Amino acid sequence: AQKITQTQPGMFVQEKEAVTLDCTYDTSDQSYGLFWYKQPSSGEMIFLIYQGSYDEQNATEGRYSLNFQKARKSANLVISASQLGDSAMYFCAMREGRGTNAGKSTFGDGTTLTVKP
Amino acid sequence: NAGVTQTPKFQVLKTGQSMTLQCAQDMNHNSMYWYRQDPGMGLRLIYYSASEGTTDKGEVPNGYNVSRLNKREFSLRLESAAPSQTSVYFCASSEYTGEVNQPQHFGDGTRLSIL
Repeated sequence: AQKITQTQPGMFVQEKEAVTLDCTYDTSDQSYGLFWYKQPSSGEMIFLIYQGSYDEQNATEGRYSLNFQKARKSANLVISASQLGDSAMYFCAMREGRGTNAGKSTFGDGTTLTVKP
Repeated sequence: NAGVTQTPKFQVLKTGQSMTLQCAQDMNHNSMYWYRQDPGMGLRLIYYSASEGTTDKGEVPNGYNVSRLNKREFSLRLESAAPSQTSVYFCASSEYTGEVNQPQHFGDGTRLSIL
């Protein structure tokens, strides 16, 4: 079973509006971390935001926030006030803390975000 | 700050040829990783090294070997390249493998085409 599911292959958003990129995950581990990365067309991977499984508050980093719903196993990325430079592919990833997969990161297939002027 | 440096950036090989992808990090990280990214897909872990002197298989290790030369360097070798290994290869590092709160820092990738 896929551990990270991103159900939106592509998303469009108008400049200056907010957009939510969905991510659901599957793990039996109690200790895990969730990450979002941005991959522009130039190809590099850029770390955006992190949420720990024990964190009680949703993570925020500037215009990025993570809507963490632990019971639903979802970790959606919210980008506020979209900019043209936000057009990129976005990956959700999970790192588990224990068991045979400890330390390994699993990535979703990504969502391509296009910001329209 | 260089971060994670991968060489080469592009390479074209013929089926059956061998080559080594190089990766070096200057952040004093203990853990290093090799991923491949196929079109329209996320990253899949090939091999990782939790610390100097150790290496472990990831999700898709077949056809690859790795060497953790020292704390800074982690190389990926294709012994007999196959067209199915055409992909973009990323090297990454993090301070420790076992800490769930540490993001990975990525190199810029190597675009590898095998004819």
